[in-house]
Amino acid sequence: AQKVTQAQTEISVVEKEDVTLDCVYETRDTTYYLFWYKQPPSGELVFLIRRNSFDEQNEISGRYSWNFQKSTSSFNFTITASQVVDSAVYFCALRPYNQGGKLIFGQGTELSVKP
Amino acid sequence: GAGVSQSPSNKVTEKGKDVELRCDPISGHTALYWYRQSLGQGLEFLIYFQGNSAPDKSGLPSDRFSAERTGGSVSTLTIQRTQQEDSAVYLCASTSLWGTNTEAFFGQGTRLTVV
Repeated sequence: AQKVTQAQTEISVVEKEDVTLDCVYETRDTTYYLFWYKQPPSGELVFLIRRNSFDEQNEISGRYSWNFQKSTSSFNFTITASQVVDSAVYFCALRPYNQGGKLIFGQGTELSVKP
Repeated sequence: GAGVSQSPSNKVTEKGKDVELRCDPISGHTALYWYRQSLGQGLEFLIYFQGNSAPDKSGLPSDRFSAERTGGSVSTLTIQRTQQEDSAVYLCASTSLWGTNTEAFFGQGTRLTVV
């Protein structure tokens, strides 16, 4: 089965706290892509990061960092020193190489950052 | 334009009427996706087009839903005999599957309300 699970439906933190959003995926393909998207209250989905299955190097971009671990089929997303503007729904997605390009999303995690 | 364009942005229709939703993908993108997002919910896959291949229609919820993509570019999602449960935001995305830039870019969606 090809599946993405974001077990955390909602997370609420206070500004400046660090927060990690979990993503676990299932695929039989050895080649695949993983993505994170942000959906702010305005509704438009914004691309954050792409990872292919051959690149397990973790990535940091400003306050954002991603931890990709094939051994546990996880692609977790951490926001350091969260800000109110980080409040949004965050989606993790999987695109298996042999599915012809089908993009499979998790159910999303709603992050609320309070001042 | 530079991004994925969807029209109309909002549509209110009476139950039982047919509606057509339009998506203009990014020029040169061979893959096009339709998703549905009900209020407070995740992204439900509907249909996927890739080049000249047969579309993946596995997500269409009923035979009232259909989609086509003309000339490998513009796509139209048609919902016949609309029902109240069809009310949702319909999102379109496009991508080029191969190469270094493989993330999907989303339009701003069409908010459909069936009254």
